[in-house]
Amino acid sequence: AQSVTQLDSHVSVSEGTPVLLRCNYSSSYSPSLFWYVQHPNKGLQLLLKYTSAATLVKGINGFEAEFKKSETSFHLTKPSAHMSDAAEYFCVVTGKGNAGGTSYGKLTFGQGTILTVHP
Amino acid sequence: NAGVTQTPKFRVLKTGQSMTLLCAQDMNHEYMYWYRQDPGMGLRLIHYSVGEGTTAKGEVPDGYNVSRLKKQNFLLGLESAAPSQTSVYFCASSSPGGPNEQFFGPGTRLTVL
Repeated sequence: AQSVTQLDSHVSVSEGTPVLLRCNYSSSYSPSLFWYVQHPNKGLQLLLKYTSAATLVKGINGFEAEFKKSETSFHLTKPSAHMSDAAEYFCVVTGKGNAGGTSYGKLTFGQGTILTVHP
Repeated sequence: NAGVTQTPKFRVLKTGQSMTLLCAQDMNHEYMYWYRQDPGMGLRLIHYSVGEGTTAKGEVPDGYNVSRLKKQNFLLGLESAAPSQTSVYFCASSSPGGPNEQFFGPGTRLTVL
């Protein structure tokens, strides 16, 4: 079984200040973890992913996340927020579903964190 | 490449009406998925397919049916729409196995009155 908890439903920052979006996970396997971003009225775009290589993962638009197994966390950070970062962010854990013996990439989504960036 | 496309973008239905949502992908992906997104609940998997001619139930399959007659298309049907099915529906596709990135379409916003 796997689950994801995003610890903040809303985060508000000023432009130019750091961003921290928190995510804790639970997984029976060695997990792979993603962060997706969704801008208003748009689909989901992959920001970054962790797949058991380096624990510090760099993504697009200056975002990065650190996998901490001891804390079961995968927090998303950015040193300096930009107005264009305003969006909803989803932490996602992947596991192995099973469909008639064929494994597939089952995604479990967190509830989402809405990031607001003030001028 | 268009990636993953969804038709229509918006739809309003009356209770009891039926409709079909179409998803198409041009990345030759084996796996395709239908999700619904509701406020504060992230995305929940409705149905998925691991190949042409195969489908399986996800977390919230009740009230929906799907078909995968062609590898590039995945259809989601509502036979008798209910207000509880008001949601934003996303289609996604991925390569076989896991954990591979899923590529998402732009979504269909459905309102059932």
